Amino acid sequence: GAGVSQTPSNKVTEKGKYVELRCDPISGHTALYWYRQSLGQGPEFLIYFQGTGAADDSGLPNDRFFAVRPEGSVSTLKIQRTERGDSAVYLCASSPVGVDTQYFGPGTRLTVL
Amino acid sequence: AQSVTQLGSHVSVSEGALVLLRCNYSSSVPPYLFWYVQYPNQGLQLLLKYTTGATLVKGINGFEAEFKKSETSFHLTKPSAHMSDAAEYFCAVSDPNYGGATNKLIFGTGTLLAVQP
Repeated sequence: GAGVSQTPSNKVTEKGKYVELRCDPISGHTALYWYRQSLGQGPEFLIYFQGTGAADDSGLPNDRFFAVRPEGSVSTLKIQRTERGDSAVYLCASSPVGVDTQYFGPGTRLTVL
Repeated sequence: AQSVTQLGSHVSVSEGALVLLRCNYSSSVPPYLFWYVQYPNQGLQLLLKYTTGATLVKGINGFEAEFKKSETSFHLTKPSAHMSDAAEYFCAVSDPNYGGATNKLIFGTGTLLAVQP
C-alpha cells in the first residue's frame, strides 16, 4: 500500500515568510509525528498527534511553529515568520494505535534564504 | 532524560568485511531500541527493533543487533558488507513508559557508512 507522503518535497522561501508543509499518513494510522532533521544531525521530535489532538507538542521550538490535524488524517505543519535557522528537512511519521514502529515519509527540505 | 550516542560519524569498510556500528543509550528505564537506515533523498526505513524478549534481534538485509543492558548498548552488525549497504544509519530509543501518551523517538546523530569495492 501507499506509504507516508509529504508535500512539497522541496520548499525555498525568504526570511520572514509563512510556510505550510503537508503530511499524508498511511491510511488508518491514528498516530502522527513530526520531526526536524538539521544538517549532520539526527531527527528531533517536534509534535505528536493521536487522532485529531496534539497529545505532545513539547518539541516545538517556539510559538512560530504550529501543527494541525483537523480530521485525524492529513496534518499540516505551519511556520510563521521563517528564519534562516528553520532550514532543515521536516519529516513526518505515522503508526497504528498500540504499535511502536513509526513509518517515515521522504521529508520536505525547507530552505530559508 | 534519554539520550543516544553513536560513536563514529563516518565508518568505512571494504565490501565483504564486517560492519559494526556502535550505539549507546542513556535511560532511567529499559527503553525500546531501534535502528533506522536512510538512503540519499529517501525517508528513514526501519532495520530492526528491540522491545522485549530475546536480546539478539535480526532485521532486514542481513543486519542484526544485540541489546546489552549491562553495557547500555545496542550495536548494529552485519557479517559481510555489500555496496548497497552504503547509507546513513540512525540509532533511536523510546520510553515505553512515557506517560502512555507517545512513543516519540530520540535519535543519535547518525553514522554514515561507506563501502569500498
